[in-house]
Amino acid sequence: LAKTTQPISMDSYEGQEVNITCSHNNIATNDYITWYQQFPSQGPRFIIQGYKTKVTNEVASLFIPADRKSSTLSLPRVSLSDTAVYYCLVVQSGNTPLVFGKGTRLSVIA
Amino acid sequence: DTEVTQTPKHLVMGMTNKKSLKCEQHMGHRAMYWYKQKAKKPPELMFVYSYEKLSINESVPSRFSPECPNSSLLNLHLHALQPEDSALYLCASSQESRQVSPGELFFGEGSRLTVL
Repeated sequence: LAKTTQPISMDSYEGQEVNITCSHNNIATNDYITWYQQFPSQGPRFIIQGYKTKVTNEVASLFIPADRKSSTLSLPRVSLSDTAVYYCLVVQSGNTPLVFGKGTRLSVIA
Repeated sequence: DTEVTQTPKHLVMGMTNKKSLKCEQHMGHRAMYWYKQKAKKPPELMFVYSYEKLSINESVPSRFSPECPNSSLLNLHLHALQPEDSALYLCASSQESRQVSPGELFFGEGSRLTVL
């Protein structure tokens, strides 16, 4: 499994766009990039996943450069309720289990 | 129904007690998972069930005993636990092959376990 590296913590003001970058230098051809959000004392929640280029949904955008060695989760106009831990995972297609790295603790300030 | 339901939400037990955590899903998922999460740490995989059969045991001590009685239910039986086993225990489910959405697991809210 490709190891991921992301910042331990980030702070942002309400209304700003937040970009969290994840490095995964050893990503394999069949791997996908997946992001989860976790609030305190709750289970992680799937946000977005992608294989290459850009993926957008109602919650976030995911940017993946051509070499796929990194990815950036973009949260538009964050609010206080976006304060959470965000995990970047590299996942193989199929039934291999998900392994969580340390995550990025995002604090949104009023 | 896209929920994974875990009970109880909170559990306090002594080191000599026997208790169980329960997890239920009705999404037709044939893969189910137990994760353990200590405070300010990422979730750690404990067990994976695939089609009601244990497929992965991440070297978990035998005082944790998983059981999958049917495709909708997953239990974690607890016996002779230690205080360091206090944690949030998370259940998750997914499509068994996850070909369409490889990274998508559905997690429950967790069971907060305290061992005295």
